Amino acid sequence: EAGVAQSPRYKIIEKRQSVAFWCNPISGHATLYWYQQILGQGPKLLIQFQNNGVVDDSQLPKDRFSAERLKGVDSTLKIQPAKLEDSAVYLCASSLDRWGAYNEQFFGPGTRLTVL
Amino acid sequence: KQEVTQIPAALSVPEGENLVLNCSFTDSAIYNLQWFRQDPGKGLTSLLLIQSSQREQTSGRLNASLDKSSGRSTLYIAASQPGDSATYLCAVSQPGNTPLVFGKGTRLSVIA
Repeated sequence: EAGVAQSPRYKIIEKRQSVAFWCNPISGHATLYWYQQILGQGPKLLIQFQNNGVVDDSQLPKDRFSAERLKGVDSTLKIQPAKLEDSAVYLCASSLDRWGAYNEQFFGPGTRLTVL
Repeated sequence: KQEVTQIPAALSVPEGENLVLNCSFTDSAIYNLQWFRQDPGKGLTSLLLIQSSQREQTSGRLNASLDKSSGRSTLYIAASQPGDSATYLCAVSQPGNTPLVFGKGTRLSVIA
């Protein structure tokens, strides 16, 4: 079974530029998460999708970050314009959506963003 | 609001030592607790998952325990090796399809 795919693996941009990250979850996984991990910190949720609907985006800085999952499969996270403090690893995770069961999250390799 | 704390933040041990990493959480109403390993610049590798009804899980040289009532978990690594050097993250889940809440991690260095 293929794992969660993310691209690009690394990205370096200047502040105020735009950047987009892509995630393809494990086939059949209804729930998709984007986490931000700043150096020295644990990952923190940015946004959670169930199929193509947003479940939780309370921690997403909506003035500059946006995310979509149009067909309920792969997802794109965009930052426009980027700030220095956006330098982090962006992790995508997916899980099944089985009622009454624990739905383990599986993580992709992450995208390391450096904003100069 | 659930908060997860990991102690120590960093640990350096000689090869062959047994060691314990600690994790504590503020809300005992968790569904599961999971330990992850993260190598520099890489994603997360799941090591052990303990369901809330369980007390411990073992995988090879790793043993994780869970005391839900006191809000604590420990990860025990036996006979440490240089290849164990990494950051170890603890995360808890609440009931339902909810995001994981992570600690900041313990950075482990095993010296040959």
